[in-house]
Amino acid sequence: QKEVEQNSGPLSVPEGAIASLNCTYSDRGSQSFFWYRQYSGKSPELIMSIYSNGDKEDGRFTAQLNKASQYVSLLIRDSQPSDSATYLCAALNYGGSQGNLIFGKGTKLSVKP
Amino acid sequence: NAGVTQTPKFRILKIGQSMTLQCTQDMNHNYMYWYRQDPGMGLKLIYYSVGAGITDKGEVPNGYNVSRSTTEDFPLRLELAAPSQTSVYFCASSPTGPQLAQHFGDGTRLSIL
Repeated sequence: QKEVEQNSGPLSVPEGAIASLNCTYSDRGSQSFFWYRQYSGKSPELIMSIYSNGDKEDGRFTAQLNKASQYVSLLIRDSQPSDSATYLCAALNYGGSQGNLIFGKGTKLSVKP
Repeated sequence: NAGVTQTPKFRILKIGQSMTLQCTQDMNHNYMYWYRQDPGMGLKLIYYSVGAGITDKGEVPNGYNVSRSTTEDFPLRLELAAPSQTSVYFCASSPTGPQLAQHFGDGTRLSIL
């Protein structure tokens, strides 16, 4: 069973701090990873994707990938109350005829003003 | 620009009833997906389609059926509703494969009583 594991939280950080969200995956064959943000009662939206080892930065967001450790993380710098949401980590799995995303349960982030 | 539209937004069914969840997209995307999300859980793929006339099972297909007669529409059918199918259902689409951003509809909240 391919799995993506996340700490469900809640993770609470003060406004302006760095929020660090972590994710591990079980399938060594996974090559592509995604972070989706989901506000309460809303649908998920893609905020970052990463395919290579190392860091990828986009504004206040940095995704980090370590394939040897099967570990993905998302850093949010200068956290804002508007970042309060559940963050879903997903790995692209090619177990079937087409690749499909395997999602973790999500980490709930709360940014306190 | 509507994106992915799901109807209905809410529905209560009795055990054994059937219904169809509608999904339509206006972005001319080839790939479409149905996910379910149980409380505090990540998304589980039910079925997906890579184009009109082509569908395939995802991780949790039992109790559901789909069809894809046009590029725009991808309805999900529940034949004999069971309490275990109480969930939030999301339809999504992407231009090509799941390695690209999936655009999600607003979801359908379904309760089976």
